[in-house]
Amino acid sequence: GQQLNQSPQSMFIQEGEDVSMNCTSSSIFNTWLWYKQDPGEGPVLLIALYKAGELTSNGRLTAQFGITRKDSFLNISASIPSDVGIYFCAGRRTSNTGKLIFGQGTTLQVKP
Amino acid sequence: NAGVMQNPRHLVRRRGQEARLRCSPMKGHSHVYWYRQLPEEGLKFMVYLQKENIIDESGMPKERFSAEFPKEGPSILRIQQVVRGDSAAYFCASSPPTDAGGETQYFGPGTRLLVL
Repeated sequence: GQQLNQSPQSMFIQEGEDVSMNCTSSSIFNTWLWYKQDPGEGPVLLIALYKAGELTSNGRLTAQFGITRKDSFLNISASIPSDVGIYFCAGRRTSNTGKLIFGQGTTLQVKP
Repeated sequence: NAGVMQNPRHLVRRRGQEARLRCSPMKGHSHVYWYRQLPEEGLKFMVYLQKENIIDESGMPKERFSAEFPKEGPSILRIQQVVRGDSAAYFCASSPPTDAGGETQYFGPGTRLLVL
């Protein structure tokens, strides 16, 4: 079936450091989304990408839609303790299905 | 501006009972999606509904699971004769009418189902 491979699985970093995580697939995606999930809560949309090569920022977060349409990455600059959580990539393949495919998640821990 | 609302937040059922999970989409949203999340895993798509229509149920188990989104009221995910393997977090998402492809989905807080 369709799968997204997200890496790394977990990260433990020092406050102030930059973070990078990515998602890859053997299939082409039309849309890439990045979500953050806190314990006991639902995923919150961070960034949405709609075109190959697109680079979009949201504050300290920057994400890119890979040119091959098979990958995406998320960067967090100057991490702070509240960045702690699980980050998920999600992709949508064909139009009008509404089905998002999620990666396995990257657990981020930030040491003050 | 209320977000996606789900209730109950936690639900405990014994094997063989029925579970009903409710989802009220964001105001003005007409597309609803249900996902299931097992511990330490990503979300898995179950079903996509519009008002009174099931658009894509390719992720829904063939037996015991059903979903509806009536003209009035919340969307309901119904699990009959629950088994322990149904224990998971169930998330609902919604998107606006202009987003027929579900490109931007906003998630609710989820319902944590525990089957004893």
